[in-house]
Amino acid sequence: GDSVTQMEGPVTLSEEAFLTINCTYTATGYPSLFWYVQYPGEGLQLLLKATKADDKGSNKGFEATYRKETTSFHLEKGSVQVSDSAVYFCALGSYNNNDMRFGAGTRLTVKP
Amino acid sequence: GAGVSQSPSNKVTEKGKDVELRCDPISGHTALYWYRQSLGQGLEFLIYFQGNSAPDKSGLPSDRFSAERTGGSVSTLTIQRTQQEDSAVYLCASRPNGVGANVLTFGAGSRLTVL
Repeated sequence: GDSVTQMEGPVTLSEEAFLTINCTYTATGYPSLFWYVQYPGEGLQLLLKATKADDKGSNKGFEATYRKETTSFHLEKGSVQVSDSAVYFCALGSYNNNDMRFGAGTRLTVKP
Repeated sequence: GAGVSQSPSNKVTEKGKDVELRCDPISGHTALYWYRQSLGQGLEFLIYFQGNSAPDKSGLPSDRFSAERTGGSVSTLTIQRTQQEDSAVYLCASRPNGVGANVLTFGAGSRLTVL
């Protein structure tokens, strides 16, 4: 079945460092791809999404590009802040939007 | 309602007891999902509803777990004869139907602790 595999954490960075969290997927059809974020003590919320190949999702300085050739949707940010400390989940929505599967999550800690 | 509402927010129970967790999705959202988030683990898919029917129950961990949804709205996840390994945060999410309506809105979760 459809699935996502994301980089295991935890990841610890200094403020203003560059961030990459890898995510690859396996899917039939043409899935939509998402990154969700869970800040400490809060529920999951959508960070960004891309619905077709070569789309780039972006939000709050984060971006990810839907790469069909490498079946990837890596999350990047050029300069992280302490406030970006959270757990990040890569997710896949099947072509009919019924099946929503999440990766294991990657905990990011940004130190001042 | 304005968001996805889950209750109780916290539940502590003794091993062997039954528990019911409730999810009230956003009004008009036809699709509803249950996930489990264990300490240090990712999001484990449990079950998905489209309206009142559950086309995908593949994620339920054992026959002690069941879920229902009535009136296309509120859903209840029931865990019978709870075990300590059932301790986790149970998350509910919903989304509307239709093309492009693929973003989930999550509730705050129900934290279950089995002693």
